[in-house]
Amino acid sequence: ETGVTQTPRHLVMGMTNKKSLKCEQHLGHNAMYWYKQSAKKPLELMFVYSLEERVENNSVPSRFSPECPNSSHLFLHLHTLQPEDSALYLCASSQGDGTYEQYFGPGTRLTVT
Amino acid sequence: SQQGEEDPQALSIQEGENATMNCSYKTSINNLQWYRQNSGRGLVHLILIRSNEREKHSGRLRVTLDTSKKSSSLLITASRAADTASYFCATASPNYGGSQGNLIFGKGTKLSVKP
Repeated sequence: ETGVTQTPRHLVMGMTNKKSLKCEQHLGHNAMYWYKQSAKKPLELMFVYSLEERVENNSVPSRFSPECPNSSHLFLHLHTLQPEDSALYLCASSQGDGTYEQYFGPGTRLTVT
Repeated sequence: SQQGEEDPQALSIQEGENATMNCSYKTSINNLQWYRQNSGRGLVHLILIRSNEREKHSGRLRVTLDTSKKSSSLLITASRAADTASYFCATASPNYGGSQGNLIFGKGTKLSVKP
C-alpha cells in the first residue's frame, strides 16, 4: 500500500464516547500533520509532529489528543467531543518541514451526535 | 490571520474552456502551492512555485506568481469534466506556526466543468 491511509473513513460518535483516528504513511516522510476541515472554513492545522516529536499544537482543545508512536503512524484520540467538532479530519505527511509539499490521506468524516 | 484567499469562490465552465483561479496573500513566503480536492476526499498536491520563480507549468496547469502584488494564479487549459473539484492555494512561510514553518490554506475555489 502506498501514500497516506486513514481509518476509519467515517465515524459517528456520541458526546461521551472515546474513539481514535489512525493515520499511516508509507512514504518515508519525517513529518506528519493533523488538519480539521469544516464547511466554509479554511483548512485548520491542529498538530504537527516532526521526527515523532510534537512541534506544534495550534490551541486545540484538550479533548483532542494526538499520539505519534513512530514516524509512520499518527493517531488522534477523541473524547467528550462537541457537535461543532463534526468535520473532515485530514492527515498529511511531508519530507522536511511544513513548507514542503504535503501528501494527504483521504480523511475521516466525523459526526458527533 | 488568514493568508491565502482564492478568487472566485465558485467557477462554472464548459468542457474545453480554460479555468483561471486567483490567490492573494498577505505576508512574505518561501513558496506557494496549489492543491486539488475532490468532494469529501483528501487534498492532492498539484504544483509548487518558489518565491524566486514567476511561472511554472505542469501538463495542462500553468501557475504564475507575482510577489510584488502578493498574488498567484492557476490556469487549467482545455478543462475536462474530471477537473471538477475544489482548488486551494497554500502559502508556505518559515515564520508561521513556530519553528517548523507551515502551510496556510485559503478557503478554495469550487470549479465545476460541465460536459
